[in-house]
Amino acid sequence: EAGVVQSPRYKIIEKKQPVAFWCNPISGHNTLYWYLQNLGQGPELLIRYENEEAVDDSQLPKDRFSAERLKGVDSTLKIQPAELGDSAVYLCASSLVQLTEAFFGQGTRLTVV
Amino acid sequence: EDKVVQSPLSLVVHEGDTVTLNCSYEVTNFRSLLWYKQEKKAPTFLFMLTSSGIEKKSGRLSSILDKKELFSILNITATQTGDSAVYLCASTSGTYKYIFGTGTRLKVLA
Repeated sequence: EAGVVQSPRYKIIEKKQPVAFWCNPISGHNTLYWYLQNLGQGPELLIRYENEEAVDDSQLPKDRFSAERLKGVDSTLKIQPAELGDSAVYLCASSLVQLTEAFFGQGTRLTVV
Repeated sequence: EDKVVQSPLSLVVHEGDTVTLNCSYEVTNFRSLLWYKQEKKAPTFLFMLTSSGIEKKSGRLSSILDKKELFSILNITATQTGDSAVYLCASTSGTYKYIFGTGTRLKVLA
C-alpha cells in the first residue's frame, strides 16, 4: 500500500512569490492534515479535513494561506505571497478516521529567500 | 491551553545502552497518546496508547501510559545507530487535534 505522497520535496522561492504543495493521502483515509514544522519544534496543525470539509482551520493564516481538498482525496496548500518566516517543512498526514493514528508524508522543505 | 512536554530534549548514548524517553501531557478531554520516530523529514508511527498500564511492544521498543500521572515513556533497549532520530510524542484531545511535543533528539554512537 502506498503511503502519503507529497510534492515537491524541496522548494526555494523568493519572498512575495506564490508557492503550492500537493498531497495525496493513503487510499481510503478520510482525515487529512497539513502541518508546519519549524526547526527543533514539533509539527503544528494548519488545517484538518474530514473528507472535503475543512473542520479545523483555526491555525491557518488565512491572509496568505489557503487550502483545498477537492473530492475528498488530494489536497493542495498554497501560500501567496510567501514571507521569509514561512521557511519550514510542510507535512501532510492522513488517518482512516479522526483520532486514529496518522501517517505522514515525506514533507516539503520550503526555503524563502 | 493543551500542551505536551518531552524530556530530555537531547540524549547521546552508546550502542547497546537502554534509553527512556519521557512525555507528559496536559490535554482537555484526553483521547490517546502517540509516539513517532522522525528521521530527516517524515515522522513514522510507532505506538498509540489509550489505556493506562498496558505496555505496547515492538521489537526493542516499548511504551506505556499512565493516565493518572499524565505521562508516557518510550523505552529502547540495546540501542543501535539506526535508532538515532527525533522521537515525537503527541496527544489527541476532545477537539480531535494532535498536540505534539518538541521531540527528544537521540544520537546513538557506535
